[in-house]
Amino acid sequence: EPEVTQTPSHQVTQMGQEVILRCVPISNHLYFYWYRQILGQKVEFLVSFYNNEISEKSEIFDDQFSVERPDGSNFTLKIRSTKLEDSAMYFCASSELAGSYEQYFGPGTRLTVT
Amino acid sequence: AQSVTQLGSHVSVSEGALVLLRCNYSSSVPPYLFWYVQYPNQGLQLLLKYTSAATLVKGINGFEAEFKKSETSFHLTKPSAHMSDAAEYFCAVSRRHTGGFKTIFGAGTRLFVKA
Repeated sequence: EPEVTQTPSHQVTQMGQEVILRCVPISNHLYFYWYRQILGQKVEFLVSFYNNEISEKSEIFDDQFSVERPDGSNFTLKIRSTKLEDSAMYFCASSELAGSYEQYFGPGTRLTVT
Repeated sequence: AQSVTQLGSHVSVSEGALVLLRCNYSSSVPPYLFWYVQYPNQGLQLLLKYTSAATLVKGINGFEAEFKKSETSFHLTKPSAHMSDAAEYFCAVSRRHTGGFKTIFGAGTRLFVKA
């Protein structure tokens, strides 16, 4: 069964450093998403991406965040200058068509900022 | 705006007992509703979804949920709890837009199953 994959599973970085979290969505999917979950809290929407541009973003997704689909398979989330409060689990998701109603989530990348 | 409220951050049941996890939603448009399960240190697994078809939705692992528009509820049930059901459960509501979906999650309910 096709699945969304994410690398790395765990990333440790120092405050102020840039990190790139990588995702490989399901191959025939057209819509891509990032969510985050701070430890012990609920999952929060960050951004959706379609047709090579951001289609919607939350207030969390400020100028330090960016997303990119650098090739036909990867979807990345870049955090330019990490802060302690960026420590969280980041989930990538993809969906086939807007009408399929289901987003498929990856296993997550745990980001720890020290 | 859409929102989801899960009643009870922790629920404890005995093995074999009924599981009932409560979820109420708020949505200005017909909602797409979901239940996800998260096991420790793992990702989100879809249990079931409601997308305006049958109001009683059956999912994996014996779970089901009933959409009640009059009560704006989408409670998750399972007739008989198993030890392996111990996990965090998230109710979610999705809004469709031209660029995909935006899913809003509830705060989660941790299910404990006692032997």
